[in-house]
Amino acid sequence: DTEVTQTPKHLVMGMTNKKSLKCEQHMGHRAMYWYKQKAKKPPELMFVYSYEKLSINESVPSRFSPECPNSSLLNLHLHALQPEDSALYLCASSQAGTGHPYEQYFGPGTRLTVT
Amino acid sequence: EDKVVQSPLSLVVHEGDTVTLNCSYEVTNFRSLLWYKQEKKAPTFLFMLTSSGIEKKSGRLSSILDKKELFSILNITATQTGDSAIYLCAVEGTSGTYKYIFGTGTRLKVLA
Repeated sequence: DTEVTQTPKHLVMGMTNKKSLKCEQHMGHRAMYWYKQKAKKPPELMFVYSYEKLSINESVPSRFSPECPNSSLLNLHLHALQPEDSALYLCASSQAGTGHPYEQYFGPGTRLTVT
Repeated sequence: EDKVVQSPLSLVVHEGDTVTLNCSYEVTNFRSLLWYKQEKKAPTFLFMLTSSGIEKKSGRLSSILDKKELFSILNITATQTGDSAIYLCAVEGTSGTYKYIFGTGTRLKVLA
């Protein structure tokens, strides 16, 4: 099973709203990722958690706040977003550790629209 | 600066044709190269390549890596309309950082 699930599938929010995106995997992966993908562009890395600790933050604005409550769950808290933040938000996971490179699997994504 | 370049940017073929997609890279401390197929939503994992010259194969798709010349190719034989998608290449460098750099993708359209 190589399934990563994400909820919700679609989200429309105003610029003053607070919302959260959720990602879950049960593959025992210890690295989890958030990517942002705009139309006709490749995914852009936002955050990486390894062993539930934030290991990469690609200079993402503070209106995006990641959280990894346990090894299976990854959240992205959203607050005071701008219309240009509208995009497909993808979660991914992989095994972790420096021993070997690992395959990375994506969830179906959340299509976010900021009005 | 690490870089991944895919070519061509787009391609239109007819069913039954064979296509070759290219991915070249310049990264520090190469670890792996991954190929994905993206239709309407999330990228679907196809292959991971770590060693030169070893072909990975799945049905009509195959891929190979050349670490000396820093590129990989993805071949699709006997193309079908269901192969229409964007094919993404991602490279991981710098051991253990989990940082995958994506190319801009090749948009493939297969006509019936």
